[in-house]
Amino acid sequence: AQKITQTQPGMFVQEKEAVTLDCTYDTSDPSYGLFWYKQPSSGEMIFLIYQGSYDQQNATEGRYSLNFQKARKSANLVISASQLGDSAMYFCAMSGLGQGAQKLVFGQGTRLTINP
Amino acid sequence: KAGVTQTPRYLIKTRGQQVTLSCSPISGHRSVSWYQQTPGQGLQFLFEYFSETQRNKGNFPGRFSGRQFSNSRSEMNVSTLELGDSALYLCASSNPGAEEQYFGPGTRLTVT
Repeated sequence: AQKITQTQPGMFVQEKEAVTLDCTYDTSDPSYGLFWYKQPSSGEMIFLIYQGSYDQQNATEGRYSLNFQKARKSANLVISASQLGDSAMYFCAMSGLGQGAQKLVFGQGTRLTINP
Repeated sequence: KAGVTQTPRYLIKTRGQQVTLSCSPISGHRSVSWYQQTPGQGLQFLFEYFSETQRNKGNFPGRFSGRQFSNSRSEMNVSTLELGDSALYLCASSNPGAEEQYFGPGTRLTVT
């Protein structure tokens, strides 16, 4: 079974600082995908970034990067130069590959608050 | 391109009733997945449909069912509603071969 653990229920960061959200995972699947989603108070889940288990380089998307350490089973999200609009819940998730790719397993989330 | 749409956005039902939620995926997306989000259990996968067939199923009782139509639109049905079914129900669609799923705004169901 797949499991995602996010150990930070809440984080408070000053605007323009970088922030790292922690995520560790557990799976016996040899191939898997790792995701980060943002959920503002409106409720919609916004896709941020994806990392495949066989990808050699860490994924980056604009201000978002995923620090993937396979041996440690961690997939931390790094947000550079945080903005007030980054305040939201952040979820780490994983999936299998192939036909299991659409079955996401989510962590409990981290509530990020950016202070002006 | 229009995003994933879900109707209705809000719903109040009484225990014992049944409810049907609708999801229209992004144009061209053929996979639709459903998730339940509650404060206690977090986000949990319900099921996934691809080309009108259920391809994956989560660990939910048989009261939860779904279907997909030939235009990829999907519906989920919950029969004999219980108080614990109160949740935000999220639908997501994806493209074949792509990893990321795109979510709709959700339907917030309240069971009284």
